[in-house]
Amino acid sequence: AQSVTQLDSQVPVFEEAPVELRCNYSSSVSVYLFWYVQYPNQGLQLLLKYLSGSTLVKGINGFEAEFNKSQTSFHLRKPSVHISDTAEYFCAALTSGTYKYIFGTGTRLKVLA
Amino acid sequence: NAGVTQTPKFQVLKTGQSMTLQCAQDMNHEYMSWYRQDPGMGLRLIHYSVGAGITDQGEVPNGYNVSRSTTEDFPLRLLSAAPSQTSVYFCASSARGANYGYTFGSGTRLTVV
Repeated sequence: AQSVTQLDSQVPVFEEAPVELRCNYSSSVSVYLFWYVQYPNQGLQLLLKYLSGSTLVKGINGFEAEFNKSQTSFHLRKPSVHISDTAEYFCAALTSGTYKYIFGTGTRLKVLA
Repeated sequence: NAGVTQTPKFQVLKTGQSMTLQCAQDMNHEYMSWYRQDPGMGLRLIHYSVGAGITDQGEVPNGYNVSRSTTEDFPLRLLSAAPSQTSVYFCASSARGANYGYTFGSGTRLTVV
């Protein structure tokens, strides 16, 4: 069965430091992978997605993610975070040919001044 | 362009009451879904639709009904509210196929007492 694991429930980091939010997925078939961001009291907003092709995907707000098939990972990175990046981040997977996303449990990123 | 509109934003129900959460999108998206978000559990799919007149169950469908009579609207009905249905509910829509990524509404915070 398909699943998405976000091992870190909370990640504190100082402003202007780099950050990596980890995501691992399990699937025996091809998947599409996504990262969403949720600011307080708002809906989810698409950050970036991997469908095929280059394994390094760039998204909005300076975020990027790398698809690693051998490690079944899709970690999200940003080289220098801002206070405004404080939010909850969700990794999601979609099995090719289906319509059902599987979401991870989320990682709360807290950027400290 | 309003995107995905959910109403109401907040609702308090008594156990046993019924209600309908409204969701409308103006992007002519084929795919629409309802999710619930609970602390530490990420987002779980309740029901989804791949087009007008077509709906299917997700991961946690019990206690909820949906219909899709038009492309624009996808209401979620709680038949007899229970405290376990206290949650934040999100509606989402996508063009063409779910691999394009969903656009989420801002959510409905429901409390059942």
